Amino acid sequence: EAQVTQNPRYLITVTGKKLTVTCSQNMNHEYMSWYRQDPGLGLRQIYYSMNVEVTDKGDVPEGYKVSRKEKRNFPLILESPSPNQTSLYFCASSFGQGINSPLHFGNGTRLTVT
Amino acid sequence: GENVEQHPSTLSVQEGDSAVIKCTYSDSASNYFPWYKQELGKGPQLIIDIRSNVGEKKDQRIAVTLNKTAKHFSLHITETQPEDSAVYFCAADSNTGGGNKLTFGTGTQLKVEL
Repeated sequence: EAQVTQNPRYLITVTGKKLTVTCSQNMNHEYMSWYRQDPGLGLRQIYYSMNVEVTDKGDVPEGYKVSRKEKRNFPLILESPSPNQTSLYFCASSFGQGINSPLHFGNGTRLTVT
Repeated sequence: GENVEQHPSTLSVQEGDSAVIKCTYSDSASNYFPWYKQELGKGPQLIIDIRSNVGEKKDQRIAVTLNKTAKHFSLHITETQPEDSAVYFCAADSNTGGGNKLTFGTGTQLKVEL
């Protein structure tokens, strides 16, 4: 089954404790992206990757890191999480960008930072 | 950059009635407008999209209209059913020079009441 898999689904952590949220897709997509979803703010892009070893900042990249060492994986790293990073996170992938490349989303990771 | 506004933020309709969600965008160069449906506990899923060279597109009970002059587009759901209850996001795709970028609206929580 074609899918984007995120882990974990739920995560509670404390301020400053490094964490990684994994994302993997099995559709051989070149484009991958991370979003955060907050009430009243919709989906905001954190980072994206056009291909292996190519990453770039989205609209809200502060406090996050990503890597794209393999085509299928795109982990999101929070080196020193803070309470304002409490949010619902989504990983997404597509063949490319734009009209002929609909995004496929994972089921989300709900992160709470205390 | 692109700015997408979405209204209303919440919408409650009786089963069988129609629901309309409206979005406006700011970048006249945007040329692709997808709509995503997010069910509880899941990631957003593409339900319909429209390209800038088309004014209307229909798929069974859902339709999308686009007015490029006014820079707004709308989602229409007819004969609503309880399973239509979800959060709906509109989005606009524009070319930023560095590639295409999808900007999302803030979402509409649709509740279909029995």
